[in-house]
Amino acid sequence: QSALTQPRSVSGSPGQSVTISCTGTSSDVGGYNYVSWYQQHPGKAPKLMIYDVTKWPSGVPDRFSGSKSGNTASLTISGLQAEDEADYYCCSYAGNYIYVFGTGTKVTVL
Amino acid sequence: QITLKESGPTLVKPTQTLTLTCTFSGFSLRTSGVGVGWIRQPPGKALEWLALIYWDDDERYSPSLTSRLTITKDTSKNQVVLTMTNMDPVDTATYYCARRLSNLFDSWGQGTLVTVSS
Repeated sequence: QSALTQPRSVSGSPGQSVTISCTGTSSDVGGYNYVSWYQQHPGKAPKLMIYDVTKWPSGVPDRFSGSKSGNTASLTISGLQAEDEADYYCCSYAGNYIYVFGTGTKVTVL
Repeated sequence: QITLKESGPTLVKPTQTLTLTCTFSGFSLRTSGVGVGWIRQPPGKALEWLALIYWDDDERYSPSLTSRLTITKDTSKNQVVLTMTNMDPVDTATYYCARRLSNLFDSWGQGTLVTVSS
C-alpha cells in the first residue's frame, strides 16, 4: 500500500482557484467513494475539510469542493484567501478497514 | 465537545518499545461504527496512517508496519494505547490519535512529538 500521490505545491493569488490532485489506484481512490481531505497549518493538527469525495463537514466553507474521476481525486479551493495557505492531505479508504494518506500539497497564496 | 489527547515519552532509544496513550472524551468506543486511529508525521514530511481499533475490537494496521504495532483499547477509561517495537531514528515523528467515523477522521488530538535517539 503506497502513499497517494499529490503535487508538492500549488499556488494562486487571492480570489483565484487552485486544484490539488490525489492519485491512487483502483484499490483505494478508484475503488471507493471514501476520499477525505485535511488542512494542516504549521504546528497544528490536521482539520477535516471534505469527506466521501464531495461532502462538507459543518463549518467548512463551500469554497472548498471535492471531486473524483477514476483513480484521481481532486480538491478545489475557489476564491482563495490568505488563511487557506496551508498543507493539504488526501486520505482514502483502501479496503479491509485500512486507510492511506497522500504525500501532501503546500498551498501558497501569492 | 470531543477531545483527544496523546501522551507518552518524548524521547526513546533505538530498539526500545514506544507506548503511547490516547485519552478521549465526548464519545464512546462502544458506539457502532466508531474507531480511534493513530497517524504519524515525521518532521517536515507527510501524514502516515498507522493503526485503527474499532468499537467491535477489530484491529487494523498499516501493512508496512504491522509486525511492529499493537493497538488496544480500554473502553472504561476512554483510552487507546499504541505500542511500536524496535524503534529507530526514522520513527521520529509527531504521533496523532484521531476519531474515525464512517471513513473519515473528524477529530484529532494535538499530537505528541517522539524523538528516537541514543
